[in-house]
Amino acid sequence: KQEVTQIPAALSVPEGENLVLNCSFTDSAIYNLQWFRQDPGKGLTSLLLIQSSQREQTSGRLNASLDKSSGRSTLYIAASQPGDSATYLCAARKYGNNRLAFGKGNQVVVIP
Amino acid sequence: DAGVIQSPRHEVTEMGQEVTLRCKPISGHDYLFWYRQTMMRGLELLIYFNNNVPIDDSGMPEDRFSAKMPNASFSTLKIQPSEPRDSAVYFCASSLASVGNTEAFFGQGTRLTVV
Repeated sequence: KQEVTQIPAALSVPEGENLVLNCSFTDSAIYNLQWFRQDPGKGLTSLLLIQSSQREQTSGRLNASLDKSSGRSTLYIAASQPGDSATYLCAARKYGNNRLAFGKGNQVVVIP
Repeated sequence: DAGVIQSPRHEVTEMGQEVTLRCKPISGHDYLFWYRQTMMRGLELLIYFNNNVPIDDSGMPEDRFSAKMPNASFSTLKIQPSEPRDSAVYFCASSLASVGNTEAFFGQGTRLTVV
């Protein structure tokens, strides 16, 4: 069974600092990995999807890297803003089906 | 497209009552997923469908839970009878099946409280 871990569970950073969020997974036979953002009381918003053949994906201030062999993905958010405060979840999609295994998330607070 | 639509957004019910949660996936998506989110366990996959057929229901906690997808644009998750430990946020998500394009899109969720 795929286990996805996100550490730390919560972190606070001053505005302007770069954010680094880590995600690890136990089964490297993944099809792709997806990062989501969740605001309190809301659903999940897809941020980035990295295919297993890719090393990284970028969207604006967000960059996600993937190292399948070591079972790790990292989400970088450059020049953090208070609006980046949210919970960030990573999810690994298993090869052969469309099943997503989620981590419990990194709860981020960006302090103005 | 309006995205994945779930109803109701909030449901408060008494223990023992039947609860039905509803989901309309994004038009054209082949897969539909039901997840449950709690503080303790995070997001757990309950069941998913491919082309309206249930593929994996191993995450359904008990026989009290059932899910149906009568057509490509509608799915229900039913809990009968409900118990306080079923209190959680239930999410529906959908995605395409095509290679390289399996990004999952989530609804806003239904917050269920069983008292």
